[in-house]
Amino acid sequence: AQKITQTQPGMFVQEKEAVTLDCTYDTSDPSYGLFWYKQPSSGEMIFLIYQGSYDQQNATEGRYSLNFQKARKSANLVISASQLGDSAMYFCAMRGGYQGAQKLVFGQGTRLTINP
Amino acid sequence: GAGVSQSPSNKVTEKGKDVELRCDPISGHTALYWYRQRLGQGLEFLIYFQGNSAPDKSGLPSDRFSAERTGESVSTLTIQRTQQEDSAVYLCASSLGPVAPQHFGDGTRLSIL
Repeated sequence: AQKITQTQPGMFVQEKEAVTLDCTYDTSDPSYGLFWYKQPSSGEMIFLIYQGSYDQQNATEGRYSLNFQKARKSANLVISASQLGDSAMYFCAMRGGYQGAQKLVFGQGTRLTINP
Repeated sequence: GAGVSQSPSNKVTEKGKDVELRCDPISGHTALYWYRQRLGQGLEFLIYFQGNSAPDKSGLPSDRFSAERTGESVSTLTIQRTQQEDSAVYLCASSLGPVAPQHFGDGTRLSIL
């Protein structure tokens, strides 16, 4: 079975600092995808970044980058130059390869608070 | 529409009543998903539709839960004989295909009294 583990229930960071949110995963599928979503207090789920298991390079999207370490089964999200608007819940999720390829399995989330 | 639309945004009902939640996916998105998010938790997969294929119902927690989708349009999630443990936010997502990123609606906050 697939599993996502986010070990940081909460993080506090000063504005403009970089922050790393941890995510480890477990799967037996050779092909899979990893996602990060942001959920502000308003509740919507905002797609941030995607990494495929066969991608050679780490994914980047603006201030977001994904530190993909396949051997360690980790997919940490790095936010550079954090902003007050980055305060939200962040969820790591996995899409499987063959079985259950469609559904996303989510971690418990990390609540990020950016302090001015 | 521009995004995934869900209605109602909030629903309060008495235990034992049936509720119906609606999701209107992004136009052109063939895949549609329902998830449940209990307070302070991550999302739990409920059901997945892809085109005219048989839906993946593996996440439905009991036979009180059912969902329908006609073609590639609107989907409804029905919960019969609601229980207090059904209180949660129900999120719908759609994607261009089964492996494309999923885009979520704002959810329906369901409260069972």
